[in-house]
Amino acid sequence: DAGITQSPRHKVTETGTPVTLRCHQTENHRYMYWYRQDPGHGLRLIHYSYGVKDTDKGEVSDGYSVSRSKTEDFLLTLESATSSQTSVYFCAISTGTGGYTDTQYFGPGTRLTVL
Amino acid sequence: QQQVKQSPQSLIVQKGGISIINCAYENTAFDYFPWYQQFPGKGPALLIAIRPDVSEKKEGRFTISFNKSAKQFSLHIMDSQPGDSATYFCAASWNQKVTFGIGTKLQVIP
Repeated sequence: DAGITQSPRHKVTETGTPVTLRCHQTENHRYMYWYRQDPGHGLRLIHYSYGVKDTDKGEVSDGYSVSRSKTEDFLLTLESATSSQTSVYFCAISTGTGGYTDTQYFGPGTRLTVL
Repeated sequence: QQQVKQSPQSLIVQKGGISIINCAYENTAFDYFPWYQQFPGKGPALLIAIRPDVSEKKEGRFTISFNKSAKQFSLHIMDSQPGDSATYFCAASWNQKVTFGIGTKLQVIP
């Protein structure tokens, strides 16, 4: 499982509240990713990071922010949660080190429900 | 914009049969084409992957066929087993970013 943990694993929150999801890796990989998974949409990239303090947007970044202050931790924040953000969120790391793409490994996921 | 199109969305196969899932892509910059398998409640796990310089890769009962000129690739599962019942995602990546298909839910019936 490439030493990836996510916390919390389940969360129920109310509309308008901020929510932070944490991804932790034990192997010091450079690239980390946040995806959301919804029926009929597959996995969609929210944000990714290519190093400490280096992040960039994915295809569905509106309403989300990220931070990476340490190599091992990548945080995803929903600034003001909405019901449309109810989803399963997956963190992933890539074993790639440069321009040649390599395999991504996924964490166990966080199921978020926004009421 | 769906850069990786996957079909079918669901598939029912008899035990021992061949499961075939097809994908097509648009971006010729993609340099890595993995397939992921996901069981309910779990994260996707790499099943098999191919680079565009080869036309076929086989690992056990799983084979990727790759047609670079047609920008299509497919997963074949030979001798399908009930334990193969899962959701399968094709993907294409470039520069450390991965684009996924919408997934195929495979059910292998005894």
